[in-house]
Amino acid sequence: DGGITQSPKYLFRKEGQNVTLSCEQNLNHDAMYWYRQDPGQGLRLIYYSQIVNDFQKGDIAEGYSVSREKKESFPLTVTSAQKNPTAFYLCASSMIAESSYNEQFFGPGTRLTVL
Amino acid sequence: KQEVTQIPAALSVPEGENLVLNCSFTDSAIYNLQWFRQDPGKGLTSLLLIQSSQREQTSGRLNASLDKSSGRSTLYIAASQPGDSATYLCAVKDGAGSYQLTFGKGTKLSVIP
Repeated sequence: DGGITQSPKYLFRKEGQNVTLSCEQNLNHDAMYWYRQDPGQGLRLIYYSQIVNDFQKGDIAEGYSVSREKKESFPLTVTSAQKNPTAFYLCASSMIAESSYNEQFFGPGTRLTVL
Repeated sequence: KQEVTQIPAALSVPEGENLVLNCSFTDSAIYNLQWFRQDPGKGLTSLLLIQSSQREQTSGRLNASLDKSSGRSTLYIAASQPGDSATYLCAVKDGAGSYQLTFGKGTKLSVIP
C-alpha cells in the first residue's frame, strides 16, 4: 500500500531531551512537510523540503531541526530549545511543492507529550 | 498574510440531512483550496482539491465550491450519515511558487443517528 507512515504514535519526552519523530513515504513524492497541531488552532508549518538535501523553515521552526538524506524520509527532531513541544505532529507529502495540482497527503501523526 | 476562517466551529445535525460547511479566506490570490477530514487522534484525509480556475469539485456525496473573488468556499454533504462525524478542515495554497498551506481551525461535525 502506498502512503505515509509516522512513528512512534505516542512519544514522551523529559525536560532537556531531544527526540526524533520519523516520517516515511512510498508515494514517490518530491516534497515533504512537518506540521504542528494544537487544540483549537489550525495546523502550523514547521519545516518543508522540496528535494533531497534541501529544506526550508516554516512559520514555527525555532526549536526544531530536520534532515532530508533520502527522498522517502524526512525526520523531525524536537530539541530541548523548544519550550512547549507538547502537541500533535503531522507529516505530509506532495508531488511538487509549487504545482497547482499539488495535493498534500498526510500521515497518521505522532502525539508528543512532555513529562 | 492569508487568514482562513471556518464557521461554525461545531455543528450537530440529524442523520439524513444535507449540510453546508463554510470556509472563507482573506487573500483571493490563491492557487488552490483543499478540504480535509480529520477523525479524533488521526491524521488528515484529503477529500477534495479545487484549482483556482475551477468553480466546484464533486466526489460521491461531497461537493465543494469555490468563489475566489469573494474569498469563499463551501463543502456540501448530501444525506449525512453518522460516519461523516469528524472535523473538517479547509486549507488554501497561495500564489504560484508558494509552498505553504494556510489552514482554518476546522468545523467539528456530529451527525446524530
